[in-house]
Amino acid sequence: AQSVTQLGSHVSVSEGALVLLRCNYSSSVPPYLFWYVQYPNQGLQLLLKYTSAATLVKGINGFEAEFKKSETSFHLTKPSAHMSDAAEYFCAVSAPNQGGKLIFGQGTELSVKP
Amino acid sequence: DVKVTQSSRYLVKRTGEKVFLECVQDMDHENMFWYRQDPGLGLRLIYFSYDVKMKEKGDIPEGYSVSREKKERFSLILESASTNQTSMYLCASSLRPMNTEAFFGQGTRLTVV
Repeated sequence: AQSVTQLGSHVSVSEGALVLLRCNYSSSVPPYLFWYVQYPNQGLQLLLKYTSAATLVKGINGFEAEFKKSETSFHLTKPSAHMSDAAEYFCAVSAPNQGGKLIFGQGTELSVKP
Repeated sequence: DVKVTQSSRYLVKRTGEKVFLECVQDMDHENMFWYRQDPGLGLRLIYFSYDVKMKEKGDIPEGYSVSREKKERFSLILESASTNQTSMYLCASSLRPMNTEAFFGQGTRLTVV
């Protein structure tokens, strides 16, 4: 069965600094990988997804993620944090041999300091 | 735009009550999901359904059941609510291909007293 581990439940950065949120996955077959964001009191929305095309994936709001098969990772980055990026971020995996299950990590709460 | 609507934003129920959480999507999606969200645990899959009357257990199905009689509606049932089922419940839907985006409802915050 596939699984996802997000390293760091809380990450704090200064405005303008690099954002790096870590995600490692476990899957017996090449997976599909997603990053979602949840702003306070709102539902989740898709930031970006990897579906076996380009390994570097660009998403909304300046975020991007790189799929590294050798490291089983799919870390999320943004070169320069903005105050509006403060939210909770979830990595998720779906595998072709799991019948459509979408499994999420524990989440990382991002704080942005002025 | 895809819309996933959960019937209630907030619910308070008593221990032992039978609780129904309803979810409706308007985009003819095959897949529908129920998750619970708890601090530090992320989203945990309770059940998902890939077609009408079809369901599969997720990671934490104990104490829950589901019903999908129509394609657009997916109900989560707590047969006998307990205090450890106090949580935020999120419904989602997606097209069948597993590389497609899931769309989420706003969530139902359930408190069992």
